[in-house]
Amino acid sequence: GENVEQHPSTLSVQEGDSAVIKCTYSDSASNYFPWYKQELGKGPQLIIDIRSNVGEKKDQRIAVTLNKTAKHFSLHITETQPEDSAVYFCANPFLGGYQKVTFGIGTKLQVIP
Amino acid sequence: DTGVSQDPRHKITKRGQNVTFRCDPISEHNRLYWYRQTLGQGPEFLTYFQNEAQLEKSRLLSDRFSAERPKGSFSTLEIQRTEQGDSAMYLCASSFGGTTGPEQYFGPGTRLTVT
Repeated sequence: GENVEQHPSTLSVQEGDSAVIKCTYSDSASNYFPWYKQELGKGPQLIIDIRSNVGEKKDQRIAVTLNKTAKHFSLHITETQPEDSAVYFCANPFLGGYQKVTFGIGTKLQVIP
Repeated sequence: DTGVSQDPRHKITKRGQNVTFRCDPISEHNRLYWYRQTLGQGPEFLTYFQNEAQLEKSRLLSDRFSAERPKGSFSTLEIQRTEQGDSAMYLCASSFGGTTGPEQYFGPGTRLTVT
């Protein structure tokens, strides 16, 4: 799978504010874009994903947007809460066949109460 | 609980000893993956099974590492002659495969400490 570039590496927000994390990719044939959340001492948890036939997907306070022209996809968390504090990873888009997941560097999100 | 399970959750061993970890995937998933994660880094791919066949191994998987999935269900990862550099979180994931679902679901991990 191809690599992804993720930024920022750390992000601090006040409780109630929004947080945005962005990843860029290079292969225009990519068709599946996942985001994972990892809490301390736990395995990554798939929290939201999007396929290339849509531009945005929402699940309560979490949304993912995809810009295929610019080749980037972003995670948006609104009305942040302390329990949102974790490390968030984007992963390489799926290109078909099996998926060897290559994770971004991760973004450590801290929500300040 | 129908998620991915791993056993043990923590393992402390002395350098030079052998260790074995077990992963039980989600029951209907035919694909199983092993990853390694060190502190402050993202997980790194180690190996992949489709049913009982091991189809890809990373260069990270030295000769001291061996993984099996004998009946296409649970999998084991063995590390022989452990070294301090093997200290990490070992993660297992599974997926359904096919064209409908590349989504991977991870277990809680096994944290290995080599002293």
